[in-house]
Amino acid sequence: DAGVTQSPTHLIKTRGQHVTLRCSPISGHKSVSWYQQVLGQGPQFIFQYYEKEERGRGNFPDRFSARQFPNYSSELNVNALLLGDSALYLCASSLGGQFFGPGTRLTVL
Amino acid sequence: SQKIEQNSEALNIQEGKTATLTCNYTNYSPAYLQWYRQDPGRGPVFLLLIRENEKEKRKERLKVTFDTTLKQSLFHITASQPADSATYLCALDADGGATNKLIFGTGTLLAVQP
Repeated sequence: DAGVTQSPTHLIKTRGQHVTLRCSPISGHKSVSWYQQVLGQGPQFIFQYYEKEERGRGNFPDRFSARQFPNYSSELNVNALLLGDSALYLCASSLGGQFFGPGTRLTVL
Repeated sequence: SQKIEQNSEALNIQEGKTATLTCNYTNYSPAYLQWYRQDPGRGPVFLLLIRENEKEKRKERLKVTFDTTLKQSLFHITASQPADSATYLCALDADGGATNKLIFGTGTLLAVQP
């Protein structure tokens, strides 16, 4: 059984651009959460989606948005990128504990 | 303010010894607490979940305790091995179990010397 998958694995963007990150949860998991992890810190919660509905939102600006599709996969969108958005973006699907994907490393130049 | 703290200094121990990592929190009332392992450049890997009404949980060489009075969890790895070297993160649920929102500590780097 495949775990959580994320694409792309790495991404380089410039300030002001837009980015879309993708996540496929473990088969049978209906909840997807997104986290941002900057170097040396623990992951910070951005969003949780369950059955295509937003269930939780962290303390991130409106430039961050997400959605979940009928097959439970999810996209995270970030507009007007800033240097400070450079981080590892993690997706997790849950059944009891949360199962994280390998992450997308975003670098904003 | 709400805080979750782990020892930011790396923990260096000899192979075969027991590693003990600490997680303290303030101004939360979590329904559960979780521990994760994270290797460099990779996503966290779920290890154990302990609920507020459980004092201790074990899984193979791992043991977690949860003291809601002290607002503290201890994570033990017995008979440690060099392969246990990684960053260990504690996380608690932010909404009393209403959502999957987790608040993570900054992690403690464990280095097991052969």
